[in-house]
Amino acid sequence: NAGVTQTPKFRVLKTGQSMTLLCAQDMNHEYMYWYRQDPGMGLRLIHYSVGEGTTAKGEVPDGYNVSRLKKQNFLLGLESAAPSQTSVYFCASRPPGGSNTEAFFGQGTRLTVV
Amino acid sequence: DAKTTQPNSMESNEEEPVHLPCNHSTISGTDYIHWYRQLPSQGPEYVIHGLTSNVNNRMASLAIAEDRKSSTLILHRATLRDAAVYYCILRDHGTASKLTFGTGTRLQVTL
Repeated sequence: NAGVTQTPKFRVLKTGQSMTLLCAQDMNHEYMYWYRQDPGMGLRLIHYSVGEGTTAKGEVPDGYNVSRLKKQNFLLGLESAAPSQTSVYFCASRPPGGSNTEAFFGQGTRLTVV
Repeated sequence: DAKTTQPNSMESNEEEPVHLPCNHSTISGTDYIHWYRQLPSQGPEYVIHGLTSNVNNRMASLAIAEDRKSSTLILHRATLRDAAVYYCILRDHGTASKLTFGTGTRLQVTL
């Protein structure tokens, strides 16, 4: 049981390039989340999804787009990368049940924009 | 979302109990108290959660004050593998029930 898998694990981009980060979960979870973590800080929510075909903005959505075409996958896109987007990105998923459920996190994608 | 306050860092000796405090004076009646931890270079992992009563699981215990304005995560015997950043999070009962992370408590465990 793989849980939450993020692809790629590391990436270096040049300013202005685009890329897509993939999050895949095999637990049939409805809810999925994308976070970013800057050095010495906690995680901040970028976008989230409460089900297939739905997405919503989190705390820091600017510069990112997301799609949830399949229940098991949640994609995070950077259309024109900027150095300020250098960060570690974490994906998470959880089943229905509101705040009485635990979330499962991936191992992270370390992105550097030069 | 209601806020939590945690010490920036704590130290413990190996095989001794550790009590990690969290203040959440603005907690609402439907907020669950969650604890996650993040080991170095890894994603956060769930530790424990509770609403009103104290909770125990294989990893830790959660002691919740009677007025729910504070809670304490208890690691009964700290090991070197418990060195991590511990996050105390209040989760609302809304549809998305998002996790809002603060800066957490960095726990150092020494021999």
